[in-house]
Amino acid sequence: NAGVMQNPRHLVRRRGQEARLRCSPMKGHSHVYWYRQLPEEGLKFMVYLQKENIIDESGMPKERFSAEFPKEGPSILRIQQVVRGDSAAYFCASSPLPTGMGELFFGEGSRLTVL
Amino acid sequence: AQTVTQSQPEMSVQEAETVTLSCTYDTSESDYYLFWYKQPPSRQMILVIRQEAYKQQNATENRFSVNFQKAAKSFSLKISDSQLGDAAMYFCAYGSGAGSYQLTFGKGTKLSVIP
Repeated sequence: NAGVMQNPRHLVRRRGQEARLRCSPMKGHSHVYWYRQLPEEGLKFMVYLQKENIIDESGMPKERFSAEFPKEGPSILRIQQVVRGDSAAYFCASSPLPTGMGELFFGEGSRLTVL
Repeated sequence: AQTVTQSQPEMSVQEAETVTLSCTYDTSESDYYLFWYKQPPSRQMILVIRQEAYKQQNATENRFSVNFQKAAKSFSLKISDSQLGDAAMYFCAYGSGAGSYQLTFGKGTKLSVIP
């Protein structure tokens, strides 16, 4: 049973470009979460999605960031017009139940570097 | 809002010895879950151990055990017979009971294992 798959593992963008990070949850998991980890920090919640629905985006910056989890295909975290402060590791996690009732299964993360 | 505090940025332990990592949290809820996650240099977050707040018995998982003090809001992790592979960042995390979707993470403790 494959784990949570994230790609790309590493992404380099120049300021003003767009970054797209993809996440395929574990088989049978319909709950997807995106977390961001800044250097020397713990993970911070960004958004929680179920298929075709955004359930909670309270941790997402209001501008430039968006997320989707279409009926078919992986979940996408999209960052438009990236700035240096967006440089971080972005982790996707999935679960068979909403968080708090079960554990999260994390991917290996996507490290975004903005030049 | 819940907060999670890990007061030890770094710890070290001799191989085969025992080490305890501290975690305190702040909440007004009575129903919640607590987790310890391990992040090795590969960066993937791996669940080490999980505790439900309504259970008085401390969780154990092989060489890993917790000391859960609900009244004191303390959730420490004990690693017995430390191995070189235990070297990693360890994150304490809090999850609300049913109805909440976010995990709140502490800033982490970097554990080094000395051969």
